[in-house]
Amino acid sequence: AQTVTQSQPEMSVQEAETVTLSCTYDTSESNYYLFWYKQPPSRQMILVIRQEAYKQQNATENRFSVNFQKAAKSFSLKISDSQLGDTAMYFCAFMKHSAGNNRKLIWGLGTSLAVNP
Amino acid sequence: GAGVSQSPSNKVTEKGKDVELRCDPISGHTALYWYRQSLGQGLEFLIYFQGNSAPDKSGLPSDRFSAERTGGSVSTLTIQRTQQEDSAVYLCASSLGGRDYGYTFGSGTRLTVV
Repeated sequence: AQTVTQSQPEMSVQEAETVTLSCTYDTSESNYYLFWYKQPPSRQMILVIRQEAYKQQNATENRFSVNFQKAAKSFSLKISDSQLGDTAMYFCAFMKHSAGNNRKLIWGLGTSLAVNP
Repeated sequence: GAGVSQSPSNKVTEKGKDVELRCDPISGHTALYWYRQSLGQGLEFLIYFQGNSAPDKSGLPSDRFSAERTGGSVSTLTIQRTQQEDSAVYLCASSLGGRDYGYTFGSGTRLTVV
């Protein structure tokens, strides 16, 4: 069974600085996807960034980038130039590659990030 | 619609009552998921619908929980004889499927059992 671990329940960062959120996972699968989702107080889960395990290049989306270490089963999220709107819960999630069947997500417990002015 | 719509947004119910939670997915999305987000326990998968196929109910925690999806669109999650441990946020998500591995989530229903 797959598991996802986020070891930092809470973090804080000053506006405009850089912060890194940690995520490790355990799986015997060779092909899978990893995700970071953001959940603001509105409760809606918003996709931040996605990584396909077969791609060696780390994904980037504007101020958000990941450090994907497949052998170490590590998938950290770096937020550069932090903004007040980045304040939210951040969840790391795992999905097995599946051509057509259930693509359920396995979730970490989340990291609460506060960006301070 | 433009997004995944869930109703009600919040629901307070008495222990022992039945509740129905509704999810209206994005038009054309064939896959629909329900997750439960409990305080301190993260998110857990409940049930998955794909088109007209039999749903994957492997995540439902007890036989008090059931769900249906009518006409391949709107889904209803029903919890019978609610218990205090059912208090949580229930999130619905839909997906296009195929080569699209992305989800779109609704804003959830916060259920409080008193």
